[in-house]
Amino acid sequence: GNSVTQMEGPVTLSEEAFLTINCTYTATGYPSLFWYVQYPGEGLQLLLKATKADDKGSNKGFEATYRKETTSFHLEKGSVQVSDSAVYFCALIPLPGGAGSYQLTFGKGTKLSVIP
Amino acid sequence: DGGITQSPKYLFRKEGQNVTLSCEQNLNHDAMYWYRQDPGQGLRLIYYSQIVNDFQKGDIAEGYSVSREKKESFPLTVTSAQKNPTAFYLCASSRPGLGAFFGQGTRLTVV
Repeated sequence: GNSVTQMEGPVTLSEEAFLTINCTYTATGYPSLFWYVQYPGEGLQLLLKATKADDKGSNKGFEATYRKETTSFHLEKGSVQVSDSAVYFCALIPLPGGAGSYQLTFGKGTKLSVIP
Repeated sequence: DGGITQSPKYLFRKEGQNVTLSCEQNLNHDAMYWYRQDPGQGLRLIYYSQIVNDFQKGDIAEGYSVSREKKESFPLTVTSAQKNPTAFYLCASSRPGLGAFFGQGTRLTVV
């Protein structure tokens, strides 16, 4: 079956530090890949996505590149802010029409804390 | 505005009671999902539905039930058979191959 593995947290960084959260996946074919962010007490918000190999998703200074050769989708940000403190989830969904194409698979989440 | 709405935001249940969590979407998405999230934990899939009048069990379906009579609605009932229902419940919807949109969640507490 499909699976997503992301680095365990918590991750604590100082403001303006560089952020990397690793995510690797196992899936057949070419799934679409996503990063979600969850702020305390809220639902998940889609942060960025990539639908094919070598695509780069970006939003709010965050970036992730779909690397099929390493089955990875690592999240990066050059300079984090206190407001980026949240839990980040990596996820995948299979190709449309493929087996289980409706079924999202999530990683366990990585908690990020940014201190001033 | 299009979106997905969960209600209520907070819900309290007495021991032995059934409670129903509401989830409505106006995004015209085919698929809808229910997840459970425990403190400091990831998401666990309870049920999902790809089309009206059809739904599938997820990883932790025991003690829960759902219905999908309309495309827009996917209510979740937490039954008395669910022995540890206190958790944060998240509803989501999606179209094939696309990412999901989530509601704001319902926090259920057993009192």
